Amino acid sequence: ETGVTQSPTHLIKTRGQQVTLRCSSQSGHNTVSWYQQALGQGPQFIFQYYREEENGRGNFPPRFSGLQFPNYSSELNVNALELDDSALYLCASSLWAEPVDGYTFGSGTRLTVV
Amino acid sequence: AQTVTQSQPEMSVQEAETVTLSCTYDTSENNYYLFWYKQPPSRQMILVIRQEAYKQQNATENRFSVNFQKAAKSFSLKISDSQLGDTAMYFCAFMKRRNYGGSQGNLIFGKGTKLSVKP
Repeated sequence: ETGVTQSPTHLIKTRGQQVTLRCSSQSGHNTVSWYQQALGQGPQFIFQYYREEENGRGNFPPRFSGLQFPNYSSELNVNALELDDSALYLCASSLWAEPVDGYTFGSGTRLTVV
Repeated sequence: AQTVTQSQPEMSVQEAETVTLSCTYDTSENNYYLFWYKQPPSRQMILVIRQEAYKQQNATENRFSVNFQKAAKSFSLKISDSQLGDTAMYFCAFMKRRNYGGSQGNLIFGKGTKLSVKP
């Protein structure tokens, strides 16, 4: 059973650029959620994908968007990067039917915007 | 809206001793889950223990146990026989229980408590 894999592990971008982060869900999981964790803070929910559609969104602007693919992997895209977007981005996969049973996190992508 | 508060930014404990981390939450929901997650320097969030709000019995997982006080909206984590490997950030989190046919709840985290276990 493979866990959640995120890529890249670290990334440095310039303000105004666009970035794509990737997540492979744990085998057997069909739902992917993305969280942003600023330095010294707890993670904050960005959005969730199930059946390739966004299903729930936190308080993040539209320049944060995502995709889910038929194999349940997912991408997080951020346009027009701002300095405040610098954070650890965590992906978590789970089963739609029973999220509590297995909410598995990846090790995250550390994004630095300069 | 739900909120989760962890009032202890940092704590330390001697190896083999017991430590308790505090968490309070605010919600108008009646059906929900509470969690403690551990985040070591590797950054991966690891589930330590979870509690279902409708269960009165406190959850226990080996050296980890919780004191769940639903009326007081309090959910503390006790770590017994602390080990060096317990050194990490600990996050308390809340998830609304999904209604039939509804969408999954998302996790709402506190700001975390940095626990250091000293030899």
